[in-house]
Amino acid sequence: DTGVSQDPRHKITKRGQNVTFRCDPISEHNRLYWYRQTLGQGPEFLTYFQNEAQLEKSRLLSDRFSAERPKGSFSTLEIQRTEQGDSAMYLCASSPRRNTIYFGEGSWLTVV
Amino acid sequence: RKEVEQDPGPFNVPEGATVAFNCTYSNSASQSFFWYRQDCRKEPKLLMSVYSSGNEDGRFTAQLNRASQYISLLIRDSKLSDSATYLCAVNMNKFEGSEKLTFGTGTRLTIIP
Repeated sequence: DTGVSQDPRHKITKRGQNVTFRCDPISEHNRLYWYRQTLGQGPEFLTYFQNEAQLEKSRLLSDRFSAERPKGSFSTLEIQRTEQGDSAMYLCASSPRRNTIYFGEGSWLTVV
Repeated sequence: RKEVEQDPGPFNVPEGATVAFNCTYSNSASQSFFWYRQDCRKEPKLLMSVYSSGNEDGRFTAQLNRASQYISLLIRDSKLSDSATYLCAVNMNKFEGSEKLTFGTGTRLTIIP
């Protein structure tokens, strides 16, 4: 499968714990995005990387959230001190050109 | 007013019928428009881009109306497999720098046998 790969696919964590999600984009894509989607809503933009540079961040990305793409390949999204409101599907996407994004299958987070 | 608005539906449509959805956007400077399809508990998948001149892909036709600030998606000869949630997405930034897409909440479509 040469699509966007995300890991883990499902994560249940206790409130206050830290979680980290990994995304492996399509190999030739230099653009990488993180979105969050809750039930009944569309995806909400979190952040965007071009190669290793984080070029855009949403105000949704609070101090508890951090994303990295250290070598311009895979990316991680870490959530510290999780809250119940963080429960959502975290979607990674990659793109070969502006706006034409392809999503991974998502990482489902449940905070209990 | 939401930046991107869609009628959530559900739209229950008999197989073979034609169905159309609209999506309105608030920022007149918006430059790029897309339709995505999302199956239950799956990721959104790009269905088609929406160009000023309109575009067609098989049974699907997308249109952009800049004057009224909406995009539309028309599905002809609907199939059972078309049942899904259809999300519109808009890049509202006038300048090349922003890559943020703003999504609507989606319109749920069910095709009835």
